[in-house]
Amino acid sequence: QAPLVQSGPEVKKPGASVKVSCKSSGQTFNNYGVSWVRQAPGQGLEWIGWINFDFGNTNYAPNVQDRVTMTTDTSTSTAYMELKSLRPDDTAVYYCARDWDHLGAGSNFVDWGQGTLVIVSA
Amino acid sequence: IQMTQSPSSLSASVGDRVTITCRASQNIINYLNWYQQQPGKAPKLLIYSTLSLERGVPSRFSGSGSGTEFTLTISNLQLEDYATYFCQQSYSTPRTFGQGTRVEIK
Repeated sequence: QAPLVQSGPEVKKPGASVKVSCKSSGQTFNNYGVSWVRQAPGQGLEWIGWINFDFGNTNYAPNVQDRVTMTTDTSTSTAYMELKSLRPDDTAVYYCARDWDHLGAGSNFVDWGQGTLVIVSA
Repeated sequence: IQMTQSPSSLSASVGDRVTITCRASQNIINYLNWYQQQPGKAPKLLIYSTLSLERGVPSRFSGSGSGTEFTLTISNLQLEDYATYFCQQSYSTPRTFGQGTRVEIK
């Protein structure tokens, strides 16, 4: 499986927005989905949502669903995760992971991006 | 669905057998995955659907369980196995992870 390459680190002020990209080099994302997972410093893993790469249907975690938007660009095989109204507790490493093209039971995350550190600080 | 791992951390020696437990707050059938994370790295899939070993993962890793209780066993612990391990349910959304188990050198 081709690696996933994410955009670089970001430092944002509270209330701002951040948009993280995830590009599949080599193999495309066609017929797959992309999940986004974040990890606050020293903490565990938190799934924040999923997008079907070809059709764009999404499923977001309840605690971020009013602030997150996931999109895809099929022409460049790139997925995006935008988080708005940032708060200090959004500080985390954000990972993309290749997922199934549907959210049926049994999916798993084989391929991961390298992670993007987002720091939210005044 | 809440996932609870135990212990949160453990110390073990090279060659030891290590068992990590993951409990789900409701029946997830066998939709349980295990990941290993080294410091500063992305997680790596070890086992999917409770007991299926991901390609390239050493056979000293094994998984078992069903319903609400699952285990990850590492037999003959090696130096490269010192890491943090996470379980994750894929039964329903939102996908949820256990809080992690850190395996340290004794």
